[in-house]
Amino acid sequence: EPEVTQTPSHQVTQMGQEVILRCVPISNHLYFYWYRQILGQKVEFLVSFYNNEISEKSEIFDDQFSVERPDGSNFTLKIRSTKLEDSAMYFCASRRDREGYTFGSGTRLTVV
Amino acid sequence: QQPVQSPQAVILREGEDAVINCSSSKALYSVHWYRQKHGEAPVFLMILLKGGEQKGHEKISASFNEKKQQSSLYLTASQLSYSGTYFCGTEDPYNTDKLIFGTGTRLQVFP
Repeated sequence: EPEVTQTPSHQVTQMGQEVILRCVPISNHLYFYWYRQILGQKVEFLVSFYNNEISEKSEIFDDQFSVERPDGSNFTLKIRSTKLEDSAMYFCASRRDREGYTFGSGTRLTVV
Repeated sequence: QQPVQSPQAVILREGEDAVINCSSSKALYSVHWYRQKHGEAPVFLMILLKGGEQKGHEKISASFNEKKQQSSLYLTASQLSYSGTYFCGTEDPYNTDKLIFGTGTRLQVFP
């Protein structure tokens, strides 16, 4: 069964450093998303991406965050200057059309 | 506005039934249901698009009352594998590319 792949599975970074989280969505999917979840609590929407541009973003997704689809297969989330409160599990998801989301296994980001 | 789920937690014995409710303060375009096991990603269960629609997936089914902005997930004859946290997710008609997850319901099934 096709799956969404995320790398790395765990990243530790120092406060103020830049991090890039990588995702390879399912190949025939057109809609891409980033979510985050802090300590197994609520799943928070960050951003949606369609047709090479952001279609929706949340209040969390401020100027420190950016997304890119650099080569037609990868989908990246960049955090420019990490804060302690950015520590969370980050999930990438994709879908083909108005159907359910397929989530990747996540990247656990720890900011120290 | 985050959808509110009830109850927050459910404990069942194998074979028992459960209902999880999801309520939104906004008009809804769709309701999704996901199950997340500890340390894993959410897994899609089903999507409901029309008012009053009911869908089934083995012993798990759901209903969607568009007018009341509510959805319910029905788990019948629960199995140990049903344990996990259940999330509803909602899209409103003006932001159909922004799925907002509910507060979550933790379900534990014991033998």
